[in-house]
Amino acid sequence: RKEVEQDPGPFNVPEGATVAFNCTYSNSASQSFFWYRQDCRKEPKLLMSVYSSGNEDGRFTAQLNRASQYISLLIRDSKLSDSATYLCAVHPTGTASKLTFGTGTRLQVTL
Amino acid sequence: DTGVSQDPRHKITKRGQNVTFRCDPISEHNRLYWYRQTLGQGPEFLTYFQNEAQLEKSRLLSDRFSAERPKGSFSTLEIQRTEQGDSAMYLCASSLVGVGTEAFFGQGTRLTVV
Repeated sequence: RKEVEQDPGPFNVPEGATVAFNCTYSNSASQSFFWYRQDCRKEPKLLMSVYSSGNEDGRFTAQLNRASQYISLLIRDSKLSDSATYLCAVHPTGTASKLTFGTGTRLQVTL
Repeated sequence: DTGVSQDPRHKITKRGQNVTFRCDPISEHNRLYWYRQTLGQGPEFLTYFQNEAQLEKSRLLSDRFSAERPKGSFSTLEIQRTEQGDSAMYLCASSLVGVGTEAFFGQGTRLTVV
């Protein structure tokens, strides 16, 4: 089983729709979780951290479910400019460890 | 610009040649990561440093790959005797140490081995 798994998509949604992605992780001791956005042929850019209590930033909401070992990203009122690949990242075992990424979920928002 | 910077942005090399990439992290960040990314995949971990110490290396990092961070500031990644399978985007990221600290990426070096 991969350490971090995501549905690669693509998710094709119309503008204005709400879309949600999940990301599962295998190490129950994982402590830090992040969502990154990556545009085609560009570097990943940090979108938001995922806290135990959830995190909301405008149209974006991230949640953590430790019992089921997944994190989620909800995008409300999708814009054309939201089209990108969304990567989740996990610190498997606290501070002395690498940041591990999923393969990313591709989102395409259409008119 | 105080973000992570990588040089060069693009590199085309012939199979068998050696290449070296440079990464300058955000100045106050003591942790520096190298990743490799191919089309349709997420970034794959190669190695990371905390200050000048190389703390972990992936099994992906064959003997042809070496990374250094001699003074705990910039880092270099060298690939010797390049192979076509080394063609990828090489990404550098930096962060502070600590639970929940966020990592920021440079723009990457796109390597093409012909």
